[in-house]
Amino acid sequence: GNSVTQMEGPVTLSEEAFLTINCTYTATGYPSLFWYVQYPGEGLQLLLKATKADDKGSNKGFEATYRKETTSFHLEKGSVQVSDSAVYFCALREGDTGNQFYFGTGTSLTVIP
Amino acid sequence: ETGVTQSPTHLIKTRGQQVTLRCSSQSGHNTVSWYQQALGQGPQFIFQYYREEENGRGNFPPRFSGLQFPNYSSELNVNALELDDSALYLCASSQRGGGYTFGSGTRLTVV
Repeated sequence: GNSVTQMEGPVTLSEEAFLTINCTYTATGYPSLFWYVQYPGEGLQLLLKATKADDKGSNKGFEATYRKETTSFHLEKGSVQVSDSAVYFCALREGDTGNQFYFGTGTSLTVIP
Repeated sequence: ETGVTQSPTHLIKTRGQQVTLRCSSQSGHNTVSWYQQALGQGPQFIFQYYREEENGRGNFPPRFSGLQFPNYSSELNVNALELDDSALYLCASSQRGGGYTFGSGTRLTVV
């Protein structure tokens, strides 16, 4: 079946520190991979995605590379800001048009000045 | 372009009652999905509606049911509420095969 395993949090970093949030997946086919972000009191916002192996998704300084050999999609950012404080969810969807997302449990990030 | 609007934002129900949650999809979107997000967990897929028909269902009992209307808005109904139904319920709309837009959710508390 399909599932996503995420690094447990919470994670606390100082401003300008390097961020890595680990994500590995299990999938029956060739999934698309996503990172969503959830700010307090809000819904999910798409941060980045990758639809095939070796693709790199990037947005707002965040990056993640679809690694089929290690079934991973780790999220990285070189220099975090206080405004990056949020909960981050890794997710997969079957192919590019599957009708449901499979989410990880989320990783809470707090960035302190 | 309006986003996804969910109502109400919060509500409290008693165990055994029934509840209806509402979702207005983003303009131009014809597909609506519902997710349950328990505290500290990732969202879990409940079901999806496409052109008023159910188009996939997750591992939820039949007391979770839904509707989609001709204007593509949607309702989630939950009967015989249980304490474990307390969660944030998220609605997401999309154009079939396209990107998803999530609403801010309805926080349901069952006491």
